[in-house]
Amino acid sequence: SQKIEQNSEALNIQEGKTATLTCNYTNYSPAYLQWYRQDPGRGPVFLLLIRENEKEKRKERLKVTFDTTLKQSLFHITASQPADSATYLCALAAGQNFVFGPGTRLSVLP
Amino acid sequence: DAGITQSPRHKVTETGTPVTLRCHQTENHRYMYWYRQDPGHGLRLIHYSYGVKDTDKGEVSDGYSVSRSKTEDFLLTLESATSSQTSVYFCASKRTGADTGELFFGEGSRLTVL
Repeated sequence: SQKIEQNSEALNIQEGKTATLTCNYTNYSPAYLQWYRQDPGRGPVFLLLIRENEKEKRKERLKVTFDTTLKQSLFHITASQPADSATYLCALAAGQNFVFGPGTRLSVLP
Repeated sequence: DAGITQSPRHKVTETGTPVTLRCHQTENHRYMYWYRQDPGHGLRLIHYSYGVKDTDKGEVSDGYSVSRSKTEDFLLTLESATSSQTSVYFCASKRTGADTGELFFGEGSRLTVL
């Protein structure tokens, strides 16, 4: 069956460290994968997209990798700040639709 | 930011009553989506639209119907609400041919069915 998993429901890290979030999937062949940020009581906001032929994408303190052999994407936030605390969702492209993972709630502790 | 608004933002209703949630976008996006979000399940697609009067079912469409009579409006109807439909509902839209395939989300509609 098709499945998308994110490494943990919650992740706590110390300010200044690098946060690494994992998205694993089975029985999908996405042309691209996206990451979104969601704050409590708000809708998700798009952060980054990475295509199947790209290994790595960066945007400011964010970095995403995509390994289609392992069927895994890693999302890194370097020099993390308390303002980065939020839930992060991965989403696989499935035609014109998107399938979302359950999310990882990141808390950056001062 | 794309202008997507959802109404109502909060609603409490009783089992068996009909409910309609409205999504309005001002960006002339072709694609529109309705998701529900529940703890432990993430966002699950209910229905989507790829143009005026063109809609299709998603993963969890049972008990829901949609209509899109204008580009800017996408309505989600629960014909007879049940307690299992208590959830937060998100509308989203997407441009055609956008490089990123970015979804723009509304702020959500919290529905409680008693």
